[in-house]
Amino acid sequence: GAGVSQSPSNKVTEKGKDVELRCDPISGHTALYWYRQRLGQGLEFLIYFQGNSAPDKSGLPSDRFSAERTGESVSTLTIQRTQQEDSAVYLCASSPPTGTGWYGYTFGSGTRLTVV
Amino acid sequence: GENVEQHPSTLSVQEGDSAVIKCTYSDSASNYFPWYKQELGKRPQLIIDIRSNVGEKKDQRIAVTLNKTAKHFSLHITETQPEDSAVYFCAAVRRGYQKVTFGIGTKLQVIP
Repeated sequence: GAGVSQSPSNKVTEKGKDVELRCDPISGHTALYWYRQRLGQGLEFLIYFQGNSAPDKSGLPSDRFSAERTGESVSTLTIQRTQQEDSAVYLCASSPPTGTGWYGYTFGSGTRLTVV
Repeated sequence: GENVEQHPSTLSVQEGDSAVIKCTYSDSASNYFPWYKQELGKRPQLIIDIRSNVGEKKDQRIAVTLNKTAKHFSLHITETQPEDSAVYFCAAVRRGYQKVTFGIGTKLQVIP
């Protein structure tokens, strides 16, 4: 697609429920990243995909968080048994293959998750 | 791993003045340094970048400088305007590794 697409744009869920956040990267972008941004805070790295493998998942805060990616397309971030501290904007970004000479991320608009 | 430090965390300037944001990085293998601007409620967007084989790059009112020896890089905004008000993130990318390491962000306020 023309840009990185994330859905839903907003999600309100009850504490203890599971949520799935979706990211559709730019076509041809092999790398995909998930970040979390709490209100007024910086960009907290969660996980990085190269194709459908995840060479770096060091940022996942707990085993309640998991992510998958199908080939070089859609990724899903799943948060199980949500807690209020999970409330944040979850940003997805993608970037083209190495060797293209350009490494910049393109971010999606994010999913604003509110746990009540 | 890479560590990027950014300062100041907040910066207020009068319209028309210049703003400077400074970052340092730790990994000497980093070779690409993008800057992102995030307006309130919006996604971060790339505004300018610099590679390690270049010392300075300019695009209209914004410029970036890089000192590889000192592992410092800076963003300079001249003739600031209210629409420059945003959070700015510096970042570093290690050669051969796509993951971007971000600084903590600088909230710039341009006072009309």
